[in-house]
Amino acid sequence: DGGITQSPKYLFRKEGQNVTLSCEQNLNHDAMYWYRQDPGQGLRLIYYSQIVNDFQKGDIAEGYSVSREKKESFPLTVTSAQKNPTAFYLCASSGTGPKPLHFGNGTRLTVT
Amino acid sequence: AQSVTQLDSHVSVSEGTPVLLRCNYSSSYSPSLFWYVQHPNKGLQLLLKYTSAATLVKGINGFEAEFKKSETSFHLTKPSAHMSDAAEYFCVVSEGGNTGKLIFGQGTTLQVKP
Repeated sequence: DGGITQSPKYLFRKEGQNVTLSCEQNLNHDAMYWYRQDPGQGLRLIYYSQIVNDFQKGDIAEGYSVSREKKESFPLTVTSAQKNPTAFYLCASSGTGPKPLHFGNGTRLTVT
Repeated sequence: AQSVTQLDSHVSVSEGTPVLLRCNYSSSYSPSLFWYVQHPNKGLQLLLKYTSAATLVKGINGFEAEFKKSETSFHLTKPSAHMSDAAEYFCVVSEGGNTGKLIFGQGTTLQVKP
């Protein structure tokens, strides 16, 4: 089945540690996205990539980094510079242009 | 700039009664609009989309939405709520161009009472 796989589902880290969230898609989509979801705040865009080896900052990119070395993979690193990293992180992909997003099932990150 | 406002953060209905989730948008041109549903600890699933074809859009699970340009609204409706409809719903507008970036509303939590 085609889809987006995010792993792990739950992730726990100590403050000050970097952590990388995995996102893989087999939909052959060009564009991939990372969103952060906090209670009552909807989804906020962290980074997006429209093509391999290229990515753009979203609305809340500070404290995060990404790479897009392969079309199917778009990992997100939450660095120690991110002040409030505890959140639910969602990865998505789409075809080019204003097309609907396909979402993974998310990773819930807890930093203590 | 595009924006979207969901007018209710929480809606409660009884099973078998109609559902109305309200959404207003702001866009400087003809927008693409979407409704997504999210069940707890899951990703978002597309319910329906409007992309300048018919103004009444039918989606999955019996949901539909009507695009009203004069009112800048895209309200989501369903004639009869089911317990499985309890979830969070997001109204979304496309930023346009070729970026595919979407602007999400704050979400409406739908509670369905037996």
